[in-house]
Amino acid sequence: AQRVTQPEKLLSVFKGAPVELKCNYSYSGSPELFWYVQYSRQRLQLLLRHISRESIKGFTADLNKGETSFHLKKPFAQEEDSAMYYCALGAGGFKTIFGAGTRLFVKA
Amino acid sequence: SAVISQKPSRDICQRGTSLTIQCQVDSQVTMMFWYRQQPGQSLTLIATANQGSEATYESGFVIDKFPISRPNLTFSTLTVSNMSPEDSSIYLCSVEVGGGYEQYFGPGTRLTVT
Repeated sequence: AQRVTQPEKLLSVFKGAPVELKCNYSYSGSPELFWYVQYSRQRLQLLLRHISRESIKGFTADLNKGETSFHLKKPFAQEEDSAMYYCALGAGGFKTIFGAGTRLFVKA
Repeated sequence: SAVISQKPSRDICQRGTSLTIQCQVDSQVTMMFWYRQQPGQSLTLIATANQGSEATYESGFVIDKFPISRPNLTFSTLTVSNMSPEDSSIYLCSVEVGGGYEQYFGPGTRLTVT
């Protein structure tokens, strides 16, 4: 079955602390994985995708096929990182499956 | 990239009525998607709408309940028919750009059914 699992509904860290948002997937083919972010009162937007291997706003995510994971990491969290984060899987036929989301709260 | 607008941004409707949500894109796109995001839950794909063909619905969603139009490459509508309180949700339009899975989303339509 095609599935994206984000085990944490809420993650709270202090400003300057490292942050890791977990994402695991289940997919029989070659996965294409993304992280989307939704800031307060803004629309959902793409944060990064695994094929580009880029760092956006200090965030990185590495695809680990052995562990079927695509965790999102940032070494030093900032207050402006507080948002809802969704892990997403391209599941064939341009269909995207979204995880349940993790709300990140960065405390001052 | 693409800029997407949706109308209305929110509405409160009575059960048994229907609401049509409009999605306008600032450029021509092939793939458009309609999602539902129920309170506290993730996004669920309702259907994929390609210009010139019938929309493709996901399991659990049917055309009679959620008819979709896609008259051209920049516009689509989703109708929520015969509404019940369970249809209260945020409805999102998105488009695929670039030939992969990267999507751009509209601001959403918040629907409340009383």
